[in-house]
Amino acid sequence: NAGVTQTPKFQVLKTGQSMTLQCAQDMNHEYMSWYRQDPGMGLRLIHYSVGAGITDQGEVPNGYNVSRSTTEDFPLRLLSAAPSQTSVYFCASSYSQGQAEQFFGPGTRLTVL
Amino acid sequence: EDKVVQSPLSLVVHEGDTVTLNCSYEVTNFRSLLWYKQEKKAPTFLFMLTSSGIEKKSGRLSSILDKKELFSILNITATQTGDSAIYLCAVTLQGAQKLVFGQGTRLTINP
Repeated sequence: NAGVTQTPKFQVLKTGQSMTLQCAQDMNHEYMSWYRQDPGMGLRLIHYSVGAGITDQGEVPNGYNVSRSTTEDFPLRLLSAAPSQTSVYFCASSYSQGQAEQFFGPGTRLTVL
Repeated sequence: EDKVVQSPLSLVVHEGDTVTLNCSYEVTNFRSLLWYKQEKKAPTFLFMLTSSGIEKKSGRLSSILDKKELFSILNITATQTGDSAIYLCAVTLQGAQKLVFGQGTRLTINP
């Protein structure tokens, strides 16, 4: 099993550009989520999904969109990148809504100029 | 607002020392508390705690939860340079499948 994979590992964007961060898991997990990690602020939840076709907002959803058309994939879209979105982004998954332990991907380091 | 606070934010000790990391929380409908270790990449799971007073142990690491006083501690004995990392505490809530994270404690072990 590859676990949770994320692409790309690094990305530099200009203000106003859009892009999609990819996340996939091969563990048949129902629950998937996106976090951003900024210095001194821990991880903050952006969006999450409890199953294919179901998504919901987390703590910091503005400027991001998600969709969940399959169990395996949970892409995160930046609609119009801003310097405030410079961060490290982590995707995570877990077996079900009742499973507390989440498995994290390796992260994507995004810089917006 | 649900809140998780870790202290200290940064700690530098010498190899062989014992360290205690703190995590306090103010949340509605607490379900469990988790500890993660983050080195260069993704956080990796250490412990999940749901009941007060029951110590979880893994080698030189141990953790305990106090649900009355709303905190947990993570102890590391006989520290090694490989223990250098950011240690994250997170809380899960009943009926809500999400983790609320603290800011993390950056632990540096000097040889």
